[in-house]
Amino acid sequence: AAGVIQSPRHLIKEKRETATLKCYPIPRHDTVYWYQQGPGQDPQFLISFYEKMQSDKGSIPDRFSAQQFSDYHSELNMSSLELGDSALYFCASSSGGKETQYFGPGTRLLVL
Amino acid sequence: DQQVKQNSPSLSVQEGRISILNCDYTNSMFDYFLWYKKYPAEGPTFLISISSIKDKNEDGRFTVFLNKSAKHLSLHIVPSQPGDSAVYFCAALQEGSRLTFGEGTQLTVNP
Repeated sequence: AAGVIQSPRHLIKEKRETATLKCYPIPRHDTVYWYQQGPGQDPQFLISFYEKMQSDKGSIPDRFSAQQFSDYHSELNMSSLELGDSALYFCASSSGGKETQYFGPGTRLLVL
Repeated sequence: DQQVKQNSPSLSVQEGRISILNCDYTNSMFDYFLWYKKYPAEGPTFLISISSIKDKNEDGRFTVFLNKSAKHLSLHIVPSQPGDSAVYFCAALQEGSRLTFGEGTQLTVNP
């Protein structure tokens, strides 16, 4: 069965640079979630979209923005990168009204 | 504050025995609970879930028990297999929105 696709899988950036992470949900899933997992920590919710509208917002820095497009894929844009942004970024998707979220493999971002 | 807590960072069991992973939560508004398994460098893989209106859900070797009055849930794996060795995350949902995760428990199943 098709899973959540994330690209790139690995990304290395310098401080103050920008990064764009992409997420392609499971086909026919209309809700996308973004989570950040720092080293040795549990995943923390950033933001979610349902039917291309922002549905919930967590601890997402103002330097980050995200959107969901007409084909339901989502992009997380990160600007003015800081060392502390180094983490695993997971995208998850679900079908509206269903609770189970299915995760992608993650993007590992390293800020030098 | 940590609304979902997994107090055991690690658990080691023998192959064939039962593994019991525990999770406590503080937010009584949580209405759905999930367990995920995670290998290094991979995303969390969904294992099993339970609604707050139930006290038990079973799927093959995996059973989740929910004690609402104690705000406690547990995942039982019987029999445990070496391939089950991974980090297990407990997660909770409120009204179908964001997941709140516990800190995770590293399970090691020894052959």
